Amino acid sequence: QVQLVQSGAEVKKPGSSVKVSCKASGGTFSSYGFSWLRQAPRQGPEWLGGIIPFGGPADYAQRFQDRVTITADESTSTVYMELSSLTSEDTAVYYCARGRLTIMGVANLDDFDLWGQGTMVTVSS
Amino acid sequence: TVLTQSPGTLSLSPGERASLSCRASQSVTSRLSWYQQKPGQAPRLLIYDASNRATGIPARFSGSGSGTDFTLTISALEPEDFAVYYCQQRNNWPLTFGGGTKVEIK
Repeated sequence: QVQLVQSGAEVKKPGSSVKVSCKASGGTFSSYGFSWLRQAPRQGPEWLGGIIPFGGPADYAQRFQDRVTITADESTSTVYMELSSLTSEDTAVYYCARGRLTIMGVANLDDFDLWGQGTMVTVSS
Repeated sequence: TVLTQSPGTLSLSPGERASLSCRASQSVTSRLSWYQQKPGQAPRLLIYDASNRATGIPARFSGSGSGTDFTLTISALEPEDFAVYYCQQRNNWPLTFGGGTKVEIK
């Protein structure tokens, strides 16, 4: 069964960075795009950015562009998200999510048919 | 693009019909998806491109609309359908989500 398994919860100090991993198993990693989203309590998800392995550089939401780096390691079918200059407003559950293939079987980052279990990131002094 | 969902909370009984609204601040054509989220779980894709059910989604879930006004309908609520529902648009960058509608047991 295809699944996305994320790394465990993190507690970070303000100003530091966090790196979260997402390992895909049971499917064809290189055929899909993978995005990172986050969700603060009682809010809708927010898209940070995404990457299509073998598809060039990552795309980022403009408001996170200076602070987020998304990479993919095809050899281990793992996607990473690193967020720097953390503040308390970055406290949230972070999800990786697989982009739904288009009707033509093309990878995209636009909507999400498989999600990881989520990683709680807490930023506190 | 701002997505506004209404109502914020919908109180219904099992077997009743649920209609959830999502309104976009500008046209998103038909590029709108719906997700279901239960406490402590990740969102699950229900509907994509306004009216297409995702793999494995029961037929009681249906979506309609285009442009700026969309509706998710659950024809007869099952106990497992009580959850929070989000809409998401992919027509205008960056993609955005609505604030959610909670469907609770009356």
